[in-house]
Amino acid sequence: DVKVTQSSRYLVKRTGEKVFLECVQDMDHENMFWYRQDPGLGLRLIYFSYDVKMKEKGDIPEGYSVSREKKERFSLILESASTNQTSMYLCASSPGSPINTGELFFGEGSRLTVL
Amino acid sequence: AQTVTQSQPEMSVQEAETVTLSCTYDTSENNYYLFWYKQPPSRQMILVIRQEAYKQQNATENRFSVNFQKAAKSFSLKISDSQLGDTAMYFCAFMTVAGYALNFGKGTSLLVTP
Repeated sequence: DVKVTQSSRYLVKRTGEKVFLECVQDMDHENMFWYRQDPGLGLRLIYFSYDVKMKEKGDIPEGYSVSREKKERFSLILESASTNQTSMYLCASSPGSPINTGELFFGEGSRLTVL
Repeated sequence: AQTVTQSQPEMSVQEAETVTLSCTYDTSENNYYLFWYKQPPSRQMILVIRQEAYKQQNATENRFSVNFQKAAKSFSLKISDSQLGDTAMYFCAFMTVAGYALNFGKGTSLLVTP
C-alpha cells in the first residue's frame, strides 16, 4: 500500500522557535509537496520538489524553507515560528513523468499550534 | 494562474439521496486534469475521481460521477445513493498537463444525515 508518513500529528511550539516537519514516502515518487490547510482557504501550496535537492516555491513560501536530501524525505522548516503559522500542514507525493497522472498521495497531516 | 472556485462552503443531504457539488475553474490552457478529493473527518485526503480535459466522456467511479463542461469551465461532482461515510470535506483541484502541483478550491463540507 502507498504510504506517506508525517512525523508528528500534533505539535505545540512557541513563537520564535525553529520547527521541523518531516515527511517520508515509500513509493519511490519523484515529486513531493507541502500544502497548508486553513478553514475557508482550502489548500495552499508552500513548496514542492521534483527531484532530490531540487525545490520550487509555491504560492505562499514566505516564512518557510524546505530540504530534500533523499528521495523519500521532504522536510518543511519554519525558521522562526509565528502565530500566523498555526495551521494544518499536509505533505503529499506523486510519481514523475511520464506516469504522473496528477494524483497526489497525502499524509495524515501535522497540526501545528504556535503560541 | 489557474483558479478553482467552489461556491458551496457547506451542504447537507439525507442518506440514499443524490447531491451535486459545484466547481468552476479558470484557465487559458487547453489540456489539463481535474480532480475531486475527499477528506473525511480526522483522516487523510484521498482521490475520488479524475478527469482529463481532452476526454469528452464524463468520468465515473461507482456512486461518484462528474459533469464536465469544458466550454463553461465547470466540473461538478454528483454523489448518488449518499452514505454516512460520504460525510467529508470535498476539494476540487486543477493541474496542467505539464505541471507538478495541484491548485485546490476552498472546499465544500458535506454532511450526510440519517
